[in-house]
Amino acid sequence: DAGVIQSPRHEVTEMGQEVTLRCKPISGHNSLFWYRQTMMRGLELLIYFNNNVPIDDSGMPEDRFSAKMPNASFSTLKIQPSEPRDSAVYFCASSLVENWVYNEQFFGPGTRLTVL
Amino acid sequence: SQQGEEDPQALSIQEGENATMNCSYKTSINNLQWYRQNSGRGLVHLILIRSNEREKHSGRLRVTLDTSKKSSSLLITASRAADTASYFCATGSAYNFNKFYFGSGTKLNVKP
Repeated sequence: DAGVIQSPRHEVTEMGQEVTLRCKPISGHNSLFWYRQTMMRGLELLIYFNNNVPIDDSGMPEDRFSAKMPNASFSTLKIQPSEPRDSAVYFCASSLVENWVYNEQFFGPGTRLTVL
Repeated sequence: SQQGEEDPQALSIQEGENATMNCSYKTSINNLQWYRQNSGRGLVHLILIRSNEREKHSGRLRVTLDTSKKSSSLLITASRAADTASYFCATGSAYNFNKFYFGSGTKLNVKP
C-alpha cells in the first residue's frame, strides 16, 4: 500500500491567492482527517470525515477554509483567500473505523504551505 | 481543553539509557495513542491503548495508562540515536466519536 498521499508537498503562494491541498487516503479506510501543525499552536485537528461525510469541522479556523470529500479516495482542503498566518504544515490522515471502534491514524507526509 | 499534555517538553539522554515521557489529559477518553514524528516528516503511530487496558508493550516500547489519574507514560528502553524525534500523545474522546486531541509533544534527543 502506498500510504496516505498528499500533494503538493510544498506550496509557496502570495497572500490573497487560492490554495488547494489534496489527499488520497489509504484504500479501505473510512475516516479522513485534516490537521495543521505550527510551532505556536502545535497539531490542530481542522476537520474529519466519516464515510465521506464531514462529522466535525469545529477546528476550521474561519470561512476562508473549506474541505470536501467527493468520494472515498479523495479529499481537498481549500484556503481562499490565503493569508500569511495560514503558513503551516498541513497533514492528512486516514483511519479504519469498525463498529465504532477507534483505530490508529495513518498520516501523510504533509504539505508545507508558505504564504508570502 | 481535552488535549493531552506531554511532560517533559524536551528530554536529552545518552544512547542506551531509558526514556520516559508522560501525558496528562482532562476528560474521559476512549483510548490514548502515542505517535512519533521525525523532523520534517509526518506522524507515525506507535501504540494504541484502550481505556480498559493498563499496560501495553511493543518491542522496546512500554505504555501505561492510569485512568484514575488521567495520565499515561511512554517508556523507551535501551534508546538509540534513531529514536531522536518528537513524541505525541493523542487522546480519543469518549464523547465525540473519532475525535482526537494531540498534545504539544516531547522532543527527545538521544546522543550517540
